[in-house]
Amino acid sequence: DGGITQSPKYLFRKEGQNVTLSCEQNLNHDAMYWYRQDPGQGLRLIYYSQIVNDFQKGDIAEGYSVSREKKESFPLTVTSAQKNPTAFYLCASSIGRETNEQFFGPGTRLTVL
Amino acid sequence: DQQVKQNSPSLSVQEGRISILNCDYTNSMFDYFLWYKKYPAEGPTFLISISSIKDKNEDGRFTVFLNKSAKHLSLHIVPSQPGDSAVYFCAARGSYRSTGANNLFFGTGTRLTVIP
Repeated sequence: DGGITQSPKYLFRKEGQNVTLSCEQNLNHDAMYWYRQDPGQGLRLIYYSQIVNDFQKGDIAEGYSVSREKKESFPLTVTSAQKNPTAFYLCASSIGRETNEQFFGPGTRLTVL
Repeated sequence: DQQVKQNSPSLSVQEGRISILNCDYTNSMFDYFLWYKKYPAEGPTFLISISSIKDKNEDGRFTVFLNKSAKHLSLHIVPSQPGDSAVYFCAARGSYRSTGANNLFFGTGTRLTVIP
């Protein structure tokens, strides 16, 4: 059945290391998104991609990078330049750029030790 | 600059009573509004939505009201059930400043606790 998968569910990283979070969808959606959730701050947009091989920065892109080589996949790399990477990361997708509803994956909890 | 605001971080309601969650926004260009429900350590799930051309949308126990002049929307849950206990996010669709692409802008969430 269709949906969005994120892996791993929990991730631990040492300070100074880069880490890549996986996001895959089999909904045939064109658009994909990465959000970060911190306590009391809601969901903040990191990067989004409206179509394959294209992506745009969101509100808090510094210290993150993405790629969109395939329609189904939108991995997020948290680099050592991200000052405060410990957070809950959510990936979402929508049918297209004009679509109202976004569908979310289960999330990845990243903890930097 | 928070364009969508949920000023109540938490709300407690007795089972069977009405839960009212509120959301305010600042951008008059928002044209579609959504409510998402989120359990701990899970992704948000879509609950109900409303277009800016309407003032009410109902789906079972859930009703969303939109007051465009006040830039305010609310989610009513009647009757409230213990399984409704979760964090509720309000979201609004609008154009992203740098690209003009449509995106969702989220509020900070309200934690609803329904007491049995």
